[in-house]
Amino acid sequence: NAGVMQNPRHLVRRRGQEARLRCSPMKGHSHVYWYRQLPEEGLKFMVYLQKENIIDESGMPKERFSAEFPKEGPSILRIQQVVRGDSAAYFCASSRTGGFNEQFFGPGTRLTVL
Amino acid sequence: GIQVEQSPPDLILQEGANSTLRCNFSDSVNNLQWFHQNPWGQLINLFYIPSGTKQNGRLSATTVATERYSLLYISSSQTTDSGVYFCAVLNQAGTALIFGKGTTLSVSS
Repeated sequence: NAGVMQNPRHLVRRRGQEARLRCSPMKGHSHVYWYRQLPEEGLKFMVYLQKENIIDESGMPKERFSAEFPKEGPSILRIQQVVRGDSAAYFCASSRTGGFNEQFFGPGTRLTVL
Repeated sequence: GIQVEQSPPDLILQEGANSTLRCNFSDSVNNLQWFHQNPWGQLINLFYIPSGTKQNGRLSATTVATERYSLLYISSSQTTDSGVYFCAVLNQAGTALIFGKGTTLSVSS
């Protein structure tokens, strides 16, 4: 039973480029969450999605960041025009139903902006 | 919003020692999880424990929801236990985990 899959595991971008991070939830899970871990900071919630719906994006920066979870395929976190401050580990989690259930985390994508 | 505080922030142990990590939270919660972030950065689920006691090998956890705290016990620690231990609770809206700042554990042989 495969866990939460994230790719790529490491991503290097130059300032101004776009970053696309992918997340495939565990089999049977239809709820996806994205979290960010900045250097020397804790893990912070970004966005919660169900298939084709954004449920809570209160933790998402207002500009340059977007997320989707289409009917088919993985969830995508997109960062446009990256800046050095976007360098961080981005974790995806999934749960079978809503947030009251256990969330399982993927291995993370480590984004480095040069 | 809910505040999550973990103590101690750092812990240094000799192999074989026991330890207790604490998580205090400021409001009633419906979901509490403990995680281990290993030296490679991966987050490993340890316990889903909104209340009561659970055990898994050398690790056990207890959550006393009415008193708003949870404890993680590590017995006979091993070097592979090193890393950061996070406690996380669900926000009131039921949409996001709120993480504590973690306890960094170093176990030496």
